[in-house]
Amino acid sequence: GEDVEQSLFLSVREGDSSVINCTYTDSSSTYLYWYKQEPGAGLQLLTYIFSNMDMKQDQRLTVLLNKKDKHLSLRIADTQTGDSAIYFCAEWEDSSYKLIFGSGTRLLVRP
Amino acid sequence: NAGVTQTPKFRVLKTGQSMTLLCAQDMNHEYMYWYRQDPGMGLRLIHYSVGEGTTAKGEVPDGYNVSRLKKQNFLLGLESAAPSQTSVYFCASSYSSGRAIEFFGPGTRLTVL
Repeated sequence: GEDVEQSLFLSVREGDSSVINCTYTDSSSTYLYWYKQEPGAGLQLLTYIFSNMDMKQDQRLTVLLNKKDKHLSLRIADTQTGDSAIYFCAEWEDSSYKLIFGSGTRLLVRP
Repeated sequence: NAGVTQTPKFRVLKTGQSMTLLCAQDMNHEYMYWYRQDPGMGLRLIHYSVGEGTTAKGEVPDGYNVSRLKKQNFLLGLESAAPSQTSVYFCASSYSSGRAIEFFGPGTRLTVL
């Protein structure tokens, strides 16, 4: 079945850029998403990208999509301590109304 | 506009007890979902609803039942709780399918002893 994989942990220094990577298996996915989860909270939709796009930029966030390799990345510029959270990549499965989530990448921003 | 709310926030059950989790949204969304989140895993879909009076099974439906009698409410029931159902439960809603689920509730932390 479809699967979404992410690395578990990333640590960066405040002010540096963070790059969180994700691979997915369903080549028919039309939407791919990034969510942020802060401790004790629900998921917050950060951004999404259509499958016919290669890149999307939204303020400090840049999403890159490589359809050939089924690779998605989220770059956070000028990372701040408030960016410390778990980041989930997800793809939409049309046939079952299902969002398939990765296991999440925990981002730690060091002062 | 409260978004998506969940009741209760925390609950401890004994094995075999039953309970109902309530999700409410005030955005007139057609689609509602129940997910569970376990440590080190992403969210997994339990059940979902594409409109009032309709429900469907997700990825991990066993041991759960749902009802959508009113458009704004989506109830998740555990008839006979088991320790394997210890998890954090998230409700979500969206305007349509095939698009990002923008609104998640704050979660219900359930422990089954």
